[in-house]
Amino acid sequence: DSGVTQTPKHLITATGQRVTLRCSPRSGDLSVYWYQQSLDQGLQFLIQYYNGEERAKGNILERFSAQQFPDLHSELNLSSLELGDSALYFCASSVLSQAANYGYTFGSGTRLTVV
Amino acid sequence: EDQVTQSPEALRLQEGESSSLNCSYTVSGLRGLFWYRQDPGKGPEFLFTLYSAGEEKEKERLKATLTKKESFLHITAPKPEDSATYLCAVQVVSGTYKYIFGTGTRLKVLA
Repeated sequence: DSGVTQTPKHLITATGQRVTLRCSPRSGDLSVYWYQQSLDQGLQFLIQYYNGEERAKGNILERFSAQQFPDLHSELNLSSLELGDSALYFCASSVLSQAANYGYTFGSGTRLTVV
Repeated sequence: EDQVTQSPEALRLQEGESSSLNCSYTVSGLRGLFWYRQDPGKGPEFLFTLYSAGEEKEKERLKATLTKKESFLHITAPKPEDSATYLCAVQVVSGTYKYIFGTGTRLKVLA
């Protein structure tokens, strides 16, 4: 157990629908990062929050949004889902606003399947 | 443009057959290079951080080294349990911090 908790582990939904993925960072970590991993793309950075504020944005689609709450957990909202959104979505956390000596701590991911 | 390339994409080794994985990078303002191990269906697990050319880190059968253009992950006498995908990532400072992952090397160690 890495200390980063992601729910749900698996999600199957239809095209056009909206889903919410949840992440609780490791205790004491202030930064949360969201990544998408598909077979042909590797790990793609989506967005980072630090202590409740958006810190960095990657290749996140407009249909996707995220937020970090006062208790530091984060949610990634995916809407108007398309077949191509099927992927593993990982959440990672770190103490600082960037990776330090121990890199990022990753959760075990949410596998999203859009049918 | 900042870029990270890992090679080979896949590697099959016999148990005990040592080898090296490569991570080459073209970035401005390297802040650190990180190695992770990822098992199927799981999140990446941190292995090492390297900060400057010439630095080396070791953990069990793994040793990571860094030069100005690339990093190597040396696997000595691997065992089947070393089978995984090995990812490298670079942290770059160019105005803001960026953290860029390579696409990984899939390692299979045969008994």
